Amino acid sequence: DSGVTQTPKHLITATGQRVTLRCSPRSGDLSVYWYQQSLDQGLQFLIQYYNGEERAKGNILERFSAQQFPDLHSELNLSSLELGDSALYFCASSSSGGYNEQFFGPGTRLTVL
Amino acid sequence: SQQGEEDPQALSIQEGENATMNCSYKTSINNLQWYRQNSGRGLVHLILIRSNEREKHSGRLRVTLDTSKKSSSLLITASRAADTASYFCATSDSWGKLQFGAGTQVVVTP
Repeated sequence: DSGVTQTPKHLITATGQRVTLRCSPRSGDLSVYWYQQSLDQGLQFLIQYYNGEERAKGNILERFSAQQFPDLHSELNLSSLELGDSALYFCASSSSGGYNEQFFGPGTRLTVL
Repeated sequence: SQQGEEDPQALSIQEGENATMNCSYKTSINNLQWYRQNSGRGLVHLILIRSNEREKHSGRLRVTLDTSKKSSSLLITASRAADTASYFCATSDSWGKLQFGAGTQVVVTP
């Protein structure tokens, strides 16, 4: 158990819908990262937050957005869902920026029908 | 885009044998991390090696890093059936953004 929690574990929805994925980082970790894992793209970095502020952006679509709240939990919002958005979405946390290990949550498996 | 490339893509060995996989990357890094993923599940952090380190050990794992060649290797000694998984290397920049390779699928047969 990494100490990072993600909900829900599985999500099945239809095209055009909007979903919210939730992540709670390890106690004390200020950095939260979101990654997408799909068969064709592999593991891709989406976005990073540090203590409530956006730090870095990767291959995140405009239809996707994220935020980190004062209690440090984070949410990833995916809207106007397409079939190609079906993937495993991981959240990871670390105590600082690029100098320490990132610990991953169990992931949310999103299926868009 | 993916920063790292693992080699081989797949590896099949017997219990007790050693497994070696390599990772090459393209740009300068802050550190390099290795992860294990069991079929469709979460990523388990194995080891982190910083850019100024050359070798690191953790239990049955040994990681090397050659920044001049932009490459790293992961050695698993005396493999067990429970080591069957996909192994990923990931390079980190100063912000902590991880860029993953495509992974090496390791199958250890009893």
